[in-house]
Amino acid sequence: EAGVTQFPSHSVIEKGQTVTLRCDPISGHDNLYWYRRVMGKEIKFLLHFVKESKQDESGMPNNRFLAERTGGTYSTLKVQPAELEDSGVYFCASSQGPRSEQFFGPGTRLTVL
Amino acid sequence: AQTVTQSQPEMSVQEAETVTLSCTYDTSESDYYLFWYKQPPSRQMILVIRQEAYKQQNATENRFSVNFQKAAKSFSLKISDSQLGDAAMYFCAYRRRDSNYQLIWGAGTKLIIKP
Repeated sequence: EAGVTQFPSHSVIEKGQTVTLRCDPISGHDNLYWYRRVMGKEIKFLLHFVKESKQDESGMPNNRFLAERTGGTYSTLKVQPAELEDSGVYFCASSQGPRSEQFFGPGTRLTVL
Repeated sequence: AQTVTQSQPEMSVQEAETVTLSCTYDTSESDYYLFWYKQPPSRQMILVIRQEAYKQQNATENRFSVNFQKAAKSFSLKISDSQLGDAAMYFCAYRRRDSNYQLIWGAGTKLIIKP
């Protein structure tokens, strides 16, 4: 069974540009989470989807970030326009139920120059 | 708000020896979960071990065990017989038992295994 996959693995963009990160959860997992780790700091929760609905988006830093999960399958996280402080590693995780183990993708390293 | 603190940015251990990674947390909740995750270089984060706060018995998974001190809000990870494959970033994480299923993380400890 395929694990959680994320694309791209690494993205380098200029300040002011737009970037879209994609996450494909494990098939059948209704719950999908986005987290971010800024260099050297704690991993921070961004948001939680249950199927296509946003269950909790309390961690989204500002309105430059837009997450979608159309059809309840893969999810995208768009940053527009990107700022220097958005640099970090963006992790996606999925789980069957909300209390089940969260399985993580390898992360997308975003560098904003 | 809940917080998780890992005070050791980096630890090293000789292969085959034992190492303990520290984690403390702060919460007003009485029922929750605690986790240790491992992220090897350029690889996925994987769950190492999980502890339920209402269980007094410390969780164990093969060479990995925890020392859970609920009153002290301490949750350390002991790795016995360290192997080269144990080299990774180790993250301690907290989650409330019901609702708000996000994980709250420590900053991580980089574990180096010396051959």
